[in-house]
Amino acid sequence: AQSVTQLDSHVSVSEGTPVLLRCNYSSSYSPSLFWYVQHPNKGLQLLLKYTSAATLVKGINGFEAEFKKSETSFHLTKPSAHMSDAAEYFCVVRGWHTGGFKTIFGAGTRLFVKA
Amino acid sequence: KAGVTQTPRYLIKTRGQQVTLSCSPISGHRSVSWYQQTPGQGLQFLFEYFSETQRNKGNFPGRFSGRQFSNSRSEMNVSTLELGDSALYLCASSYTGPGLAGGQETQYFGPGTRLLVL
Repeated sequence: AQSVTQLDSHVSVSEGTPVLLRCNYSSSYSPSLFWYVQHPNKGLQLLLKYTSAATLVKGINGFEAEFKKSETSFHLTKPSAHMSDAAEYFCVVRGWHTGGFKTIFGAGTRLFVKA
Repeated sequence: KAGVTQTPRYLIKTRGQQVTLSCSPISGHRSVSWYQQTPGQGLQFLFEYFSETQRNKGNFPGRFSGRQFSNSRSEMNVSTLELGDSALYLCASSYTGPGLAGGQETQYFGPGTRLLVL
C-alpha cells in the first residue's frame, strides 16, 4: 500500500536559520515524489519533484530534497528561512500499485517563520 | 501560458442542493484531476480525467461525479449536498495521464473553489 507521513504538523524557525520538513513514504513500486507549498487562500505550487534521476533534487526558492530509498524518506530542506516561506507544505507520492494508480498527499506541515 | 483556472472561486449552497464546479486546464494539457481539501481530512483525490475518459477514481460516494470535454475543460458535480462537503476543491492539470508518464508528470494546480454548504 502507498502512504505518506509528514512527521511534523508544525515547524517554527527563525528567519535566517535552516528549515527541515520531514516526509516518510511507503510504496509498492518506484514512486514519484513531490513537494508542494500552499500559501493562505492559494492553490498548490510545485517546489520540486523526484522521478528516479538524481537523488538530490533542487527546487525553487532555494529548497532542495534528498531521496533516501533505504530510509524511505524525502525530507525538504532550505539553508536559510525567509519570512515569505511561511506556508503549508505537502509531500506527495504518485505511482502504480496493485490497486491502481494513486496520488497520496501527506497531512501537511505548517511552517512558521519568526522575525 | 495562462494557468489553471477554476470557477467560481467561492460558492455557498444549502443542504440537498447540487453544485457544478468548472476547471480549465493549461493550454495543451489533457489530464485533469480533482481534489478535495478539508481541515479534517486534508487533501484527498477525487478523480482524474484524460482525453474525456475517467482514468482513476478516489474513495468518494457516487454523489461526486465529473466529466471532461473535448477541449480538456472539466466539470465536477456534487449532488444532494451535505454539510461535510464544505471544502476547498482543487483542480490540477498535466500534459499526460499517469499511465503514460508513470506519475512523473508535474501537476499544476488552480486556486480552487471554496464551497460552503449551509
